Amino acid sequence: DTGVSQNPRHKITKRGQNVTFRCDPISEHNRLYWYRQTLGQGPEFLTYFQNEAQLEKSRLLSDRFSAERPKGSFSTLEIQRTEQGDSAMYLCASMNPGLAPYEQYFGPGTRLTVT
Amino acid sequence: AQTVTQSQPEMSVQEAETVTLSCTYDTSESDYYLFWYKQPPSRQMILVIRQEAYKQQNATENRFSVNFQKAAKSFSLKISDSQLGDAAMYFCAYRRNFGNEKLTFGTGTRLTIIP
Repeated sequence: DTGVSQNPRHKITKRGQNVTFRCDPISEHNRLYWYRQTLGQGPEFLTYFQNEAQLEKSRLLSDRFSAERPKGSFSTLEIQRTEQGDSAMYLCASMNPGLAPYEQYFGPGTRLTVT
Repeated sequence: AQTVTQSQPEMSVQEAETVTLSCTYDTSESDYYLFWYKQPPSRQMILVIRQEAYKQQNATENRFSVNFQKAAKSFSLKISDSQLGDAAMYFCAYRRNFGNEKLTFGTGTRLTIIP
């Protein structure tokens, strides 16, 4: 078990470009969460998956954002037409909802800088 | 909606001394979890300690303990015998115990350890 991994760790892009991040959860964890953390703030919930089904999206997730988990394993988060306000750390976490104490394990995050 | 408030943006403590970080929360639920997460600089978030709302006994993990006051909706973290490795951002977080177990975080407290 290597924990939750995220790639890339850092991404610098120009405003208007599209970016895609990947999250690989712990293998037996069927629940996967995406959070966004801006400077000086705590993480904020974006969306979550139960297997391949996306069950809830935050109002923070505008139409420019899309997340997928096609086979119920890894997940991708795409941001289209990036804006400077999208600059943040994007965190992924996974959990096994059938295993107490239902802890979410976090990845190292992808830091996005939009110039 | 649930909210989590951390009123101490920064705290400092002498090595080997004790420090307490404050957290208050607001919820109408009765069944939930509270957490303290540690986020070292440029490293991933890790769980320090958890508290189940229906348990009256305060949780303890080695040098870390909590003071959970359910009626007052207060959840403070006490770190005893502070060590240099304790330096980090500390986030208080709330999660309800059913449905979408997304975490709601406070804004964090930056803890500095003075050698």
